[in-house]
Amino acid sequence: GEDVEQSLFLSVREGDSSVINCTYTDSSSTYLYWYKQEPGAGLQLLTYIFSNMDMKQDQRLTVLLNKKDKHLSLRIADTQTGDSAIYFCADRYTGTASKLTFGTGTRLQVTL
Amino acid sequence: NAGVTQTPKFQVLKTGQSMTLQCAQDMNHEYMSWYRQDPGMGLRLIHYSVGAGITDQGEVPNGYNVSRSTTEDFPLRLLSAAPSQTSVYFCASTNEGVLYTFGSGTRLTVV
Repeated sequence: GEDVEQSLFLSVREGDSSVINCTYTDSSSTYLYWYKQEPGAGLQLLTYIFSNMDMKQDQRLTVLLNKKDKHLSLRIADTQTGDSAIYFCADRYTGTASKLTFGTGTRLQVTL
Repeated sequence: NAGVTQTPKFQVLKTGQSMTLQCAQDMNHEYMSWYRQDPGMGLRLIHYSVGAGITDQGEVPNGYNVSRSTTEDFPLRLLSAAPSQTSVYFCASTNEGVLYTFGSGTRLTVV
């Protein structure tokens, strides 16, 4: 089956850029997503990208997709303490609208 | 504009007890699914449904049952709770498989 992998932890200083990486195995992924989860809370959709796109920018967020290497990244510019959370990468496999496959999540710690 | 509503938010069960986690959506979405979240493992799919009367197993279905008698509701039943089912459970729905709406979760502890 499909697999999505992320590193577990990232620490950055306030004001720096954060880059969270994700790799996936399924070449038939149609949409790829980034979700944010704050402690004790549910999942907040940050952004998503369609598989025929290379890049998507939304304010401080930039998503890069390299389909050849099956690599997705999320860049957060000017990282703030409020960005501290767990970030999940997820993909939707072709023909399975009900099913998302999630990575293990990357815990982002923002230090002063 | 409720979205996806999960109840209860918190639950403690004794081993062997049964219970139903409720999930309701008011967006007329066809697709609904249940995930469990465990530390260091992300979210894993338990069961999903592509419409009323149709359900299927996900990645970790053992110990759970579902049914979909209406478009709005997709309850998850734990038949005989085990400590390994201690987790946070999320319900999600989508209409076209692009934007998914998640509930706020149910934190279940089995002692």
